[in-house]
Amino acid sequence: DGGITQSPKYLFRKEGQNVTLSCEQNLNHDAMYWYRQDPGQGLRLIYYSQIVNDFQKGDIAEGYSVSREKKESFPLTVTSAQKNPTAFYLCASRPFLDRNSNQPQHFGDGTRLSIL
Amino acid sequence: ELKVEQNPLFLSMQEGKNYTIYCNYSTTSDRLYWYRQDPGKSLESLFVLLSNGAVKQEGRLMASLDTKARLSTLHITAAVHDLSATYFCAVDIGSVFAGGTSYGKLTFGQGTILTVHP
Repeated sequence: DGGITQSPKYLFRKEGQNVTLSCEQNLNHDAMYWYRQDPGQGLRLIYYSQIVNDFQKGDIAEGYSVSREKKESFPLTVTSAQKNPTAFYLCASRPFLDRNSNQPQHFGDGTRLSIL
Repeated sequence: ELKVEQNPLFLSMQEGKNYTIYCNYSTTSDRLYWYRQDPGKSLESLFVLLSNGAVKQEGRLMASLDTKARLSTLHITAAVHDLSATYFCAVDIGSVFAGGTSYGKLTFGQGTILTVHP
């Protein structure tokens, strides 16, 4: 079955540590997105990538980094510069080349990150 | 800056009753999405609304879009307990670049937590 796989499901970060969240999709989608969700709030866009080897900052990119070396993979690194990383992180994907596509973004099951 | 506001943020309903969730947004757009999220889970797509006057229905839920008023509604008919969840609207205003306009960058509302009681 096609879908988006995020791992790990739960992650703990120590002070000063960088951690990487994995996102893999087998939907053959061009565009991929990372969102952060805090309790009781909507989703906020961290980074997005519409094509391999290209990505753009979203609304809250500070303290995060990404790479897009393969179409199916879009890992997110939460760096030590992100002072409040505790949140639920969601990865999504969508076809891009069809610019008039009415398809919604498809979401993975998320990674819950906490500080030790 | 695009702002998307939902109301109410909390909704407690009795089974069998009807209610409407509102989604207002601040910048012209003709692409709006509704999602459902169960506690601790991911987001599930409910509706895609792509033009003024668009109306979509699925079971007890019906969504509509008025682009002139910058307003979308999610109407719940004869609520049942299984509809208890958080509902989000999300707006896509598109990004203009040299080749045209691309879509996919969503701005979400705060979410409406719906609880349906017996």
